[in-house]
Amino acid sequence: KQEVTQIPAALSVPEGENLVLNCSFTDSAIYNLQWFRQDPGKGLTSLLLIQSSQREQTSGRLNASLDKSSGRSTLYIAASQPGDSATYLCAVRPWDTGTASKLTFGTGTRLQVTL
Amino acid sequence: EPEVTQTPSHQVTQMGQEVILRCVPISNHLYFYWYRQILGQKVEFLVSFYNNEISEKSEIFDDQFSVERPDGSNFTLKIRSTKLEDSAMYFCASAGQENFGYTFGSGTRLTVV
Repeated sequence: KQEVTQIPAALSVPEGENLVLNCSFTDSAIYNLQWFRQDPGKGLTSLLLIQSSQREQTSGRLNASLDKSSGRSTLYIAASQPGDSATYLCAVRPWDTGTASKLTFGTGTRLQVTL
Repeated sequence: EPEVTQTPSHQVTQMGQEVILRCVPISNHLYFYWYRQILGQKVEFLVSFYNNEISEKSEIFDDQFSVERPDGSNFTLKIRSTKLEDSAMYFCASAGQENFGYTFGSGTRLTVV
């Protein structure tokens, strides 16, 4: 059974800092990994999608890497801003394409960026 | 950017009542899902739906739950007789075949009193 863990559970940084959020998963047979952002009481916004054949994806100040063999992904946020404050979730999709495979979510990292 | 739309955004219901949560997935997506998140907990899988039938369901998705795609656009989750522990945020999601990336709706907050 796939288990996804995120470290740290919470993080507070001053504005402008670069930061790294970590995600680890126990079963490396994944099809892809997605990073989401969740604001309090709101839905899930997809940030980055990394296919299992890829090593990283970038979008603006966000960069996500994937090391499938070691079961790890990192989300790098450059020059953090107060608007980045949210909970960040990673989720993995298993390797069984063609079926409606479910995502397994991590526990989330709650980020607060202070002025 | 295409969106998954969920209605209502918030529903309060009495224990034992039936509720129907509605979703309009992205039009060219083929895979549809319901997830839920109890306050302060992980996002949990409920059910997946493909080719007009359930592909997989979790142990949470018991006989009180059902899903339907009554027409070409809507995807619904019905809870027949709600319990207090059904109080949660319910998320609908859809995925296409091009990269199997998920798009989630903004959720329905269900409160059972």
